[in-house]
Amino acid sequence: DIQMTQSPSSLSASVGDRVTITCRASQSIISFLNWYQQKPGKAPKLLIYAASSLQSGVPSRFSGSGSGTDFIFTISSLQPEDFATYYCQQSYGTPYTFGQGTKLEIK
Amino acid sequence: EFQLVESGGGLIQPGGSLRLSCAASGFTVSSNYMSWVRQAPGKVLEWVSFIYRGGATYSVESLRGRFSISRDNSKNTVYLEMNSLRAEDTAVYYCARGTEYRSSWYLDLWGQGTLVTVSS
Repeated sequence: DIQMTQSPSSLSASVGDRVTITCRASQSIISFLNWYQQKPGKAPKLLIYAASSLQSGVPSRFSGSGSGTDFIFTISSLQPEDFATYYCQQSYGTPYTFGQGTKLEIK
Repeated sequence: EFQLVESGGGLIQPGGSLRLSCAASGFTVSSNYMSWVRQAPGKVLEWVSFIYRGGATYSVESLRGRFSISRDNSKNTVYLEMNSLRAEDTAVYYCARGTEYRSSWYLDLWGQGTLVTVSS
């Protein structure tokens, strides 16, 4: 199985901060990497697909980059509604594993 | 409008069976990949099962033999059949649509989730 390791597991930041989350795959997944946001009690929401493509309707302050085994998710300027948990997920090979999540909290 | 609505969750005793349903509207399930993802209370997302456009299915190895995914094209509905349920299967089960992009895919539409509680 492909293991997805996110870091950090939690993060405290302030409104307006730039935030970066990393996701590392245990083997190359080319660019088959998606990022989701989940708020408490809600279903996940797709933000970024194929490592760097912004899902329609998602604000441009969200971005993704990387290929192979190392990927980065960035929020350029945190907004109050961005405090949530973020997951990476690989769609390269079965089982299509998720990372363990990064909980973004208000400082 | 695209929508997924799950149903069928509830309280079930260990060893019991449940069938979750995921009714789609606004699109055709047979033209998309469809997936089930679960989340135990306070835990991370866990991918469970996938049904490809052609009808082939895949479930995570640890659940294979107990869980199976299927679809009814006439009802535009996807199902998750769960047997021999255990306490550790307690989770919110989400249905999600997979959209193909080049050689890959992503889950771009999610249902609200249905809670399955396995307890005596």
